[in-house]
Amino acid sequence: QQQVKQSPQSLIVQKGGIPIINCAYENTAFDYFPWYQQFPGKGPALLIAIRPDVSEKKEGRFTISFNKSAKQFSLHIMDSQPGDSATYFCAASQGSGYSTLTFGKGTMLLVSP
Amino acid sequence: DTEVTQTPKHLVMGMTNKKSLKCEQHMGHRAMYWYKQKAKKPPELMFVYSYEKLSINESVPSRFSPECPNSSLLNLHLHALQPEDSALYLCASSQGQGMNYGYTFGSGTRLTVV
Repeated sequence: QQQVKQSPQSLIVQKGGIPIINCAYENTAFDYFPWYQQFPGKGPALLIAIRPDVSEKKEGRFTISFNKSAKQFSLHIMDSQPGDSATYFCAASQGSGYSTLTFGKGTMLLVSP
Repeated sequence: DTEVTQTPKHLVMGMTNKKSLKCEQHMGHRAMYWYKQKAKKPPELMFVYSYEKLSINESVPSRFSPECPNSSLLNLHLHALQPEDSALYLCASSQGQGMNYGYTFGSGTRLTVV
């Protein structure tokens, strides 16, 4: 069964710290790996995404590192702020056209002031 | 317009009621989705519409009935729900053609079944 395993389940860092969230996948047909940020009572919002032909992608304070051979990818949040406190989901999908996302179980991040 | 709009934001319904959730997007996306999300869990796929045709039904009970009247609208009709159906119902859309560029989610409808 297609799975994406995400860790840790929860994470507390101080303001300015660099939280790292890790995901691992099994299906080598996956070709698109997005991260979603979700605040309480809101829908998930696309944060950043990567394809397997690159090893790293940065957008502002958010960086994805991708290791195709290990089938792992991770999210780093530089200079974390209390406003980054949210639940983060990694996901994976394959193919073109409409596609279904396979989500990790989520990481609850708390950035303390 | 880069939004997916869902109405209502909150809904409380009895187990004998009939209600509908609505979703609208004007991004020209040709794939639309319904997801169900329980607290502290990832979204779970319910239905996928591609070019206004139902493409995926993830074995959802018949008390949930989706409808796609046109390429911009998606409805979810609810009837005879159970308390365990209480959840956040999310609509999403994607391009539905060419390379996959991910979804845009709406803010969801918080459904409580009493």
